[in-house]
Amino acid sequence: DTEVTQTPKHLVMGMTNKKSLKCEQHMGHRAMYWYKQKAKKPPELMFVYSYEKLSINESVPSRFSPECPNSSLLNLHLHALQPEDSALYLCASSQETGNTGELFFGEGSRLTVL
Amino acid sequence: TQLLEQSPQFLSIQEGENLTVYCNSSSVFSSLQWYRQEPGEGPVLLVTVVTGGEVKKLKRLTFQFGDARKDSSLHITAAQPGDTGLYLCAGARAGNNRKLIWGLGTSLAVNP
Repeated sequence: DTEVTQTPKHLVMGMTNKKSLKCEQHMGHRAMYWYKQKAKKPPELMFVYSYEKLSINESVPSRFSPECPNSSLLNLHLHALQPEDSALYLCASSQETGNTGELFFGEGSRLTVL
Repeated sequence: TQLLEQSPQFLSIQEGENLTVYCNSSSVFSSLQWYRQEPGEGPVLLVTVVTGGEVKKLKRLTFQFGDARKDSSLHITAAQPGDTGLYLCAGARAGNNRKLIWGLGTSLAVNP
């Protein structure tokens, strides 16, 4: 069983909707990530939080808004998305100190934008 | 520019066969991870290699990190249908290990 849980597993939304993806980790990690993944492609980094502060934003459009309420939780707020934003959104966590780059992923949220 | 070249991209083999997947780069990595991903699921970490020349074994899977830490390979012995999935390599650069460099992945199908 994964120790990084994501909800919802599936989400269908219209281009005018506002929705949120949620992620929770119980590994005591202080770095959390959002990745976007298209079918049969590697994950693409979107955001990284370190000690609840945003440390990396890979020039992601503002219609994606991340939030890290505490060290265990990570949200991704979605607004006015486009059909091309349909993808698997992956949350991951890692150690902050002594990190060799290992990521622990959740099962993902499959997003479809109509 | 793809900094981590992974090959082959697709592989379809029969149960019991052996296979090797390669990840090559001109860059040096401080560590390299291999992940396996099933459809609709998140990638699962298989192994991390950090030392040049390192060899790690995980049951029928053997992982090797090149001496110069620029390349890695994954060898599967006697593949089983349960090995089917997308295999991804990802390298971490020294001082920048939060932004992994990903290979394009190898989609493996093991047929009964």
